[in-house]
Amino acid sequence: QKEVEQNSGPLSVPEGAIASLNCTYSDRGSQSFFWYRQYSGKSPELIMSIYSNGDKEDGRFTAQLNKASQYVSLLIRDSQPSDSATYLCAVYSGYSTLTFGKGTMLLVSP
Amino acid sequence: DAGVIQSPRHEVTEMGQEVTLRCKPISGHNSLFWYRQTMMRGLELLIYFNNNVPIDDSGMPEDRFSAKMPNASFSTLKIQPSEPRDSAVYFCASSPYSVGNEKLFFGSGTQLSVL
Repeated sequence: QKEVEQNSGPLSVPEGAIASLNCTYSDRGSQSFFWYRQYSGKSPELIMSIYSNGDKEDGRFTAQLNKASQYVSLLIRDSQPSDSATYLCAVYSGYSTLTFGKGTMLLVSP
Repeated sequence: DAGVIQSPRHEVTEMGQEVTLRCKPISGHNSLFWYRQTMMRGLELLIYFNNNVPIDDSGMPEDRFSAKMPNASFSTLKIQPSEPRDSAVYFCASSPYSVGNEKLFFGSGTQLSVL
């Protein structure tokens, strides 16, 4: 059973702070890792992907991957109220499709 | 591009009734997915098609659920008979990739309520 675990939150941060979202996965053979953002009442949308150990930066977002620890994280710098959403971690293990975590709700207060 | 189109947006029905959800994927995408999302279980894959062929239906809860993809531009998910525990948001997603599923494009979802 492939599992992707996330803290459900909510994670509350003040505007301008760094938000750190974490995810662990059970399948050591996992190959690809993704972060999706889902606003309330909307559908998920892909914001980051990472495939190798280390950091990957895209604007205010940084994805971090540590395969030895089976851990992936998303950092959001200079958090804005518009970043308030649920962030879904998704993992591809080569078994046809993605496994999603249940998501972490992020609340950014002005 | 209009994106992935799902209909209806909302469906309210009574227990025992048949429900049909519809999806039009993005043109040119090889893969189509049906997901169900609830607070308790999160986003669960129901079935995955590649080039109109069902590849993985291990997530289909039981025989009451069926899905078809008669051509590259249309898919349906049918529940017959529906039960209150089927109440959820059902998402259809498509991808231009056949393997790896690097990027899923989700439709707006169908909010299903079974009374």
